[in-house]
Amino acid sequence: AQSVTQLDSHVSVSEGTPVLLRCNYSSSYSPSLFWYVQHPNKGLQLLLKYTSAATLVKGINGFEAEFKKSETSFHLTKPSAHMSDAAEYFCVVTIPLNTGFQKLVFGTGTRLLVSP
Amino acid sequence: GAVVSQHPSRVICKSGTSVKIECRSLDFQATTMFWYRQFPKQSLMLMATSNEGSKATYEQGVEKDKFLINHASLTLSTLTVTSAHPEDSSFYICSARVGVLAGGVFYEQYFGPGTRLTVT
Repeated sequence: AQSVTQLDSHVSVSEGTPVLLRCNYSSSYSPSLFWYVQHPNKGLQLLLKYTSAATLVKGINGFEAEFKKSETSFHLTKPSAHMSDAAEYFCVVTIPLNTGFQKLVFGTGTRLLVSP
Repeated sequence: GAVVSQHPSRVICKSGTSVKIECRSLDFQATTMFWYRQFPKQSLMLMATSNEGSKATYEQGVEKDKFLINHASLTLSTLTVTSAHPEDSSFYICSARVGVLAGGVFYEQYFGPGTRLTVT
């Protein structure tokens, strides 16, 4: 069955330092993978997505993620954290349905804390 | 990107009453919308898939008689929590999918800002 595991419930960094949010997936198919960000009391915003094209995916706000099939990982990185990056981040994998569409399966989330 | 709105953003109701939450796609038409539930500090769990003009498809374990979903138009889906109890208190998030069936290609989902329901 398709699933994602976010290895860290909380990650704390200082402003200006690199960010690494880890995600491992399990999938019987070639997966589509996403990272979403959720700011407090706000809707989820798509950061980036992998859909079997380039393995290094660039997203918004300077984030990027690399799909590594050998490691079944899709870690999210950013070279330099900003205070505004403090939020909850969700790694998401898709489950194909017999309708031809896909269903999103969310990881448990990683809360990113950024200190001055 | 496409915008999805939810109303109300927060609602407090008494136990035993019903609450309706609206989800609207503001600048696009969505044949399919999704309703998720998020408990504090937990992930989003899909409750049901709402298709315009047909009955919603509920996930296993979700009571269809308690969580009534109506997708009456291509821009509006509603979730009604009937006879609410304190354990129904949660953050409810809707999402709208843009696209059509095309060989299994995934079409992006846009999420609403959520509705925080508190049942006293």
